[in-house]
Amino acid sequence: DTEVTQTPKHLVMGMTNKKSLKCEQHMGHRAMYWYKQKAKKPPELMFVYSYEKLSINESVPSRFSPECPNSSLLNLHLHALQPEDSALYLCASSQAPLEGQGVVLKSGNTIYFGEGSWLTVV
Amino acid sequence: EDQVTQSPEALRLQEGESSSLNCSYTVSGLRGLFWYRQDPGKGPEFLFTLYSAGEEKEKERLKATLTKKESFLHITAPKPEDSATYLCAVQGAGGTASKLTFGTGTRLQVTL
Repeated sequence: DTEVTQTPKHLVMGMTNKKSLKCEQHMGHRAMYWYKQKAKKPPELMFVYSYEKLSINESVPSRFSPECPNSSLLNLHLHALQPEDSALYLCASSQAPLEGQGVVLKSGNTIYFGEGSWLTVV
Repeated sequence: EDQVTQSPEALRLQEGESSSLNCSYTVSGLRGLFWYRQDPGKGPEFLFTLYSAGEEKEKERLKATLTKKESFLHITAPKPEDSATYLCAVQGAGGTASKLTFGTGTRLQVTL
């Protein structure tokens, strides 16, 4: 069972609002991701958490703030967004590579995506 | 830097008309090549992972193959429900194992 659940499915927010996107997985994965996808474009990586620690931040503006409360949950806090931030936000999870522990997995880790949260900033 | 190029950008097939989608890649040490299917407004759905040249995987009407430079997604006797965007992505050994490099996708439309 490969399921990543995201809420809400749709969100409309004003530029002065504070909102959060939520993600949950029960596959025992220890790596979780946020991607952003614009229409007719591939997903773009934003953040990666590995073992509940932020391991990658792809130079994302500070108006996006990720949080990983535990190994199953991932949040994306949104504040003072711009209309150009309107997009599909995808959460994903995978088994975690063990790079930090001195072992690099030779096989790729399959990344499983949720259905996404459609965000519109007005 | 890892790069992925998918072709064609769009493909229109009649039901039952078999074809192939191409994914060309350059990567420093392939950890894995991934195929996803994405329906409009939804997240990518995992289809296949291929790890080494010569590997093949099948699922229903889909078959993925891998060489040292490219991967093909063969669609045999497609049906209208196969209409979607098919995304190819790679994980290279050069960077972190967490990072996928995506192609821009092939939009497939299957008509009756």
